[in-house]
Amino acid sequence: DTGVSQNPRHKITKRGQNVTFRCDPISEHNRLYWYRQTLGQGPEFLTYFQNEAQLEKSRLLSDRFSAERPKGSFSTLEIQRTEQGDSAMYLCASSLDRNSGANVLTFGAGSRLTVL
Amino acid sequence: AQTVTQSQPEMSVQEAETVTLSCTYDTSESDYYLFWYKQPPSRQMILVIRQEAYKQQNATENRFSVNFQKAAKSFSLKISDSQLGDAAMYFCAPFFGNEKLTFGTGTRLTIIP
Repeated sequence: DTGVSQNPRHKITKRGQNVTFRCDPISEHNRLYWYRQTLGQGPEFLTYFQNEAQLEKSRLLSDRFSAERPKGSFSTLEIQRTEQGDSAMYLCASSLDRNSGANVLTFGAGSRLTVL
Repeated sequence: AQTVTQSQPEMSVQEAETVTLSCTYDTSESDYYLFWYKQPPSRQMILVIRQEAYKQQNATENRFSVNFQKAAKSFSLKISDSQLGDAAMYFCAPFFGNEKLTFGTGTRLTIIP
């Protein structure tokens, strides 16, 4: 297993365009998290899945944001009609769930979005 | 509301010396986990150390140890024998019953050769 994989690593787009990020978690992990990190700040929670179910969405996740995990494996995060304020690093992490006795999140390298 | 405070935006330490990074948090829960993560420049977030709130014994991982004071809601990280590779942003991140990590604002650690 190569850990948590995120693609693309860097995306530059013009304001108003749609972008999609993909996250491939560690294969045996049933939880998957999305965080957003702006420069010099700590990551902020966006949403998380247990298997294919999206269990929580942050108020930060406006209607322009949508996340899916259709088969409980990889996940996508789509941002529609991007705005300059969406420029950030989008981090994906995966873990076993609490009942499995492990809540340690393993992070991917992130997908950096730049909106011009 | 559950909050996390890292009051030291930046710290520096001489190579081979010891440094302590502070973290306080607020929660009404009694069962939770506490983590320190490290984020080197332009690299991914890496787990440094983990502490279960129900354990009185402080966690230790090689040169990294914590001072967990549950009543004071304090969770500091001590790095002994600092090395150049320790230079990074360090984030304190409790895992409460809301089932996600809540990150502090981070402390940027510089190692002076």
